[in-house]
Amino acid sequence: QQQVKQSPQSLIVQKGGISIINCAYENTAFDYFPWYQQFPGKGPALLIAIRPDVSEKKEGRFTISFNKSAKQFSLHIMDSQPGDSATYFCAASSRSGGSNYKLTFGKGTLLTVNP
Amino acid sequence: DAMVIQNPRYQVTQFGKPVTLSCSQTLNHNVMYWYQQKSSQAPKLLFHYYDKDFNNEADTPDNFQSRRPNTSFCFLDIRSPGLGDAAMYLCATSREVSGRAGDTQYFGPGTRLTVL
Repeated sequence: QQQVKQSPQSLIVQKGGISIINCAYENTAFDYFPWYQQFPGKGPALLIAIRPDVSEKKEGRFTISFNKSAKQFSLHIMDSQPGDSATYFCAASSRSGGSNYKLTFGKGTLLTVNP
Repeated sequence: DAMVIQNPRYQVTQFGKPVTLSCSQTLNHNVMYWYQQKSSQAPKLLFHYYDKDFNNEADTPDNFQSRRPNTSFCFLDIRSPGLGDAAMYLCATSREVSGRAGDTQYFGPGTRLTVL
């Protein structure tokens, strides 16, 4: 119930191409879906996030598509650049005891963008 | 303008020798989290504080403890590190939560722990 399944595990894209990473969840109590970007040796950084009352959110080259009925969401990186090469984690949060929120992470996707 | 600061960035300890990792934040967030991240894996939540209330994850070993002396600081104590505890330890914070606010967690750069 608490799992977030992420695919693919790794992805290689040519510069200028579109990178697509998919996530699926089971717990309908999840109400917040962030994507984190992590470079080697660094902590995860929030990239973009969506709530289930919208189907799409775009910030620059990054877009989240959200399908509430299918319980799936995906990250699209348009015009992928070598600097986008990193590990991407999808996550979902739900209330966990009192007023606390707890993030459930996917297992991550290692994106490599070739020049 | 660092928001979540972790010290040290790299820590080497010996098997069984207690070690303390520190985290400080300038965001004045009420919630602070400690995660363990092993190579090529997702961060795993160990515990978190909501203000002074400590919330331990059910599968966090007793070997891991935490202290939060004030809003800005939180410490992770590993009482007897084993080889399996070698990992990146991430601290994160989030704002006071009410309604739909406060979901965003801000992560520090992490402390890489090596156990010899």
